[in-house]
This record gives sequence, structure tokens and C-alpha cells, in this order.
Amino acid sequence: GAVVSQHPSWVICKSGTSVKIECRSLDFQATTMFWYRQFPKQSLMLMATSNEGSKATYEQGVEKDKFLINHASLTLSTLTVTSAHPEDSSFYICSASVGQGFSYNSPLHFGNGTRLTVT
Amino acid sequence: AQSVAQPEDQVNVAEGNPLTVKCTYSVSGNPYLFWYVQYPNRGLQFLLKYITGDNLVKGSYGFEAEFNKSQTSFHLKKPSALVSDSALYFCAVRDNTGGFKTIFGAGTRLFVKA
Repeated sequence: GAVVSQHPSWVICKSGTSVKIECRSLDFQATTMFWYRQFPKQSLMLMATSNEGSKATYEQGVEKDKFLINHASLTLSTLTVTSAHPEDSSFYICSASVGQGFSYNSPLHFGNGTRLTVT
Repeated sequence: AQSVAQPEDQVNVAEGNPLTVKCTYSVSGNPYLFWYVQYPNRGLQFLLKYITGDNLVKGSYGFEAEFNKSQTSFHLKKPSALVSDSALYFCAVRDNTGGFKTIFGAGTRLFVKA
């Protein structure tokens, strides 16, 4: 159980275009999802916390107008990279915690990530 | 502020030998600690967690971790390493100040040699 599906697994796009990444909790409801960015050989950087039915909370330094997050249902959150540029190329990973509400005890369940390459 | 340190970029161990991946943390209040593993081009998988109780926590795939409050450490261990354990390991601490964030260490790459 607790499967998080992320799509697409990889995408190549041209500079200036937008890319949407989907994150779905397949067998549980997630009121809160998290979006991370991972640079090569580096740790995960939390970009934003996605809350169902409300605006996402962005971390300092993350451009909310560039990285649009929508959490329209209890099982789906999307990250749209708008007007992508080569420096946006990275590995993006979503995660969710099981159960409505949030428990400090609950581990995160991760999608398999999306490798974005902007040419 | 909460923080996690993994002092080793890489750990090399021979198959069959015990392994240890180190983690130290800094939190205000009670720590909520986690270990995750990441295989190439994949998301992270949960291994184990410490919330309260016994200092030795057992998790998936034969891994365990020892919580040491006085040393603020949460080292990951396995008695006998397998080649298939080779991966990137992350220690993490849950922000318990109300933000629900999980803060990850820099990661330690484990190489198990046959």
C-alpha cells in the first residue's frame, strides 16, 4: 500500500515552454503533498508544500510564479514549470504522507521522480 | 532550526561485513527521525523511523538504526551487507514546530563490493 505515482518519469522540452508533472496517491488520500528538487549528487531541496484545496506554501527562494502547484483533489497534485529554461533541468520528486491531516509519525511515500531536461 | 548531518559522502564495505552509515541531528524538542534509501533515477523508499521508545529501531531489508540522545545520533546499521544494498541513503528529521517539513541530510552513497 501507500503508492505514489508520478508522471512523466522523464521529459525533454524546449526553452520557453511549460511542463506539467503529476503526482497521484493511488491507494490513499493525501491532504498534503511535498515537492522536492534534487540536483546531481545532492540532497533533496524542499520546494513547496501542497495542500488540497488551498494555496501551496513555497520555500524561501522558490519562485511561485515559475513553479505552479495545484492540489485539486485528495489524490492529485501537479507541478507546472512555466517558461522553462536550461537551469530548471533537474530531478523533481513528489511525496505524500498517508492519511488525512498529518502525523509526525508518518513517513513520506515518494513518487519515482521526473527528470526534466530543458534544451 | 532543525538540521541533519551525514558526515560521510561515501561508505565502502565488503559484502558480508557489517555496515554503518552515520547521521547526527539537531532539533528543538523531541526528534522524529527517518532513514530513506534511493536507487538510481528513483524516488526515495522509507526504511525505518524513530519516534519514541527503544533506542534500537528495526526496519526494512534487515536494516536497523540506533538512536543515541546524548550524542544526537541516529546511525543506520546492518549486520551483513549485500551488494544489492548499494544505493544512496538519506537521514531525515521531521520538523516538529508545526511546519510538517521533512529535512534531509546530504546523503551517503553506500558501495558494497562483492
